[in-house]
Amino acid sequence: QQQVKQSPQSLIVQKGGISIINCAYENTAFDYFPWYQQFPGKGPALLIAIRPDVSEKKEGRFTISFNKSAKQFSLHIMDSQPGDSATYFCAASNKAAGNKLTFGGGTRVLVKP
Amino acid sequence: DGGITQSPKYLFRKEGQNVTLSCEQNLNHDAMYWYRQDPGQGLRLIYYSQIVNDFQKGDIAEGYSVSREKKESFPLTVTSAQKNPTAFYLCASSGRGSTEAFFGQGTRLTVV
Repeated sequence: QQQVKQSPQSLIVQKGGISIINCAYENTAFDYFPWYQQFPGKGPALLIAIRPDVSEKKEGRFTISFNKSAKQFSLHIMDSQPGDSATYFCAASNKAAGNKLTFGGGTRVLVKP
Repeated sequence: DGGITQSPKYLFRKEGQNVTLSCEQNLNHDAMYWYRQDPGQGLRLIYYSQIVNDFQKGDIAEGYSVSREKKESFPLTVTSAQKNPTAFYLCASSGRGSTEAFFGQGTRLTVV
């Protein structure tokens, strides 16, 4: 049972373009939605996160959009740079269940110079 | 430096052997987690522990075992019962009540 579905699996964008990754969840008890960035051979690192009481959060070139009624959230990477080439994972957790993270399948992003 | 240390970085195991992956953290975090990552797949939770001497099964616990005798340490044993153990294993920790998980650099296990 995949509780968090992520798309696309991979994406290629030109330098300066916008990368958009989408996630959908099933469990309405989720109350925290982070995005993690992972470089090859490394562990994931928290990039940005949002709670369901807001519809958008922006940190630098990274923006999360959240649609509670549709149970969907997305990551937008503005002005994509070659250094953004990595795998991105969306996740969700529920405080009542001990904040265990449930991850999406990941999106491999390649930014071409 | 505060963080999570996983060792070894690469590990090779013969079929039928048990192997233990190390995870140590000096962040004074209460919760620790083990995830498995396969190519093209997300991270799947193997086991987690909220406090010392207590742990719970995650989504794919079969063929794995853990212990949590110290707050700083959460070793994972991959037993011979795990049918497809070749994968990248990630350990993580988080503070009490915190939603942010910090990950180690991972151990890549290959069965030969």
